[in-house]
Amino acid sequence: DQQVKQNSPSLSVQEGRISILNCDYTNSMFDYFLWYKKYPAEGPTFLISISSIKDKNEDGRFTVFLNKSAKHLSLHIVPSQPGDSAVYFCAAHQGAQKLVFGQGTRLTINP
Amino acid sequence: GAVVSQHPSRVICKSGTSVKIECRSLDFQATTMFWYRQFPKKSLMLMATSNEGSKATYEQGVEKDKFLINHASLTLSTLTVTSAHPEDSSFYICSANTGVGYGYTFGSGTRLTVV
Repeated sequence: DQQVKQNSPSLSVQEGRISILNCDYTNSMFDYFLWYKKYPAEGPTFLISISSIKDKNEDGRFTVFLNKSAKHLSLHIVPSQPGDSAVYFCAAHQGAQKLVFGQGTRLTINP
Repeated sequence: GAVVSQHPSRVICKSGTSVKIECRSLDFQATTMFWYRQFPKKSLMLMATSNEGSKATYEQGVEKDKFLINHASLTLSTLTVTSAHPEDSSFYICSANTGVGYGYTFGSGTRLTVV
């Protein structure tokens, strides 16, 4: 049972435009959500997180939105830069329990 | 910030041999560490949770006798792939929890190739 889903395996965006990566989850007990960026042959790098008691968290060019009623979160990157090209994973956990990852979305920023 | 060091970054071994991968928390103590495996173009699959001073907790379908985990200190967890076979070739990543939420820090990963 895939508790965290990223239904878009890939996304291509023009440099300077907004990138929107989506993530859905099924477990209503998750209380923390995170986004990670990953380059090939490297470990994931933490980007931004959001607690289930919030609906928005912003850090520079990155904003995460959480819609609890829809069990949906999204990562907005604006403006998109070529260095943002990577695979993005959303993840969630409940308390101190293990992180559950989505399948990842490969983001390509075109110059 | 919290750093997790993973070593080696790349290893090639012959079938039937064993390989040990180390995961160290450099500036914090980690009572719990996690070992993941990533197949090409797939998500990170949690293999096991490593608990300091006690037995690891393995996820369903992961052979505990094949993937030996030792967490002997608060800063070191090791994963040993025993009697490696080509199908064990993969990218292995460890992580440690430094606190709630954003406190999961990942190592840089180990690319294992079994020939």
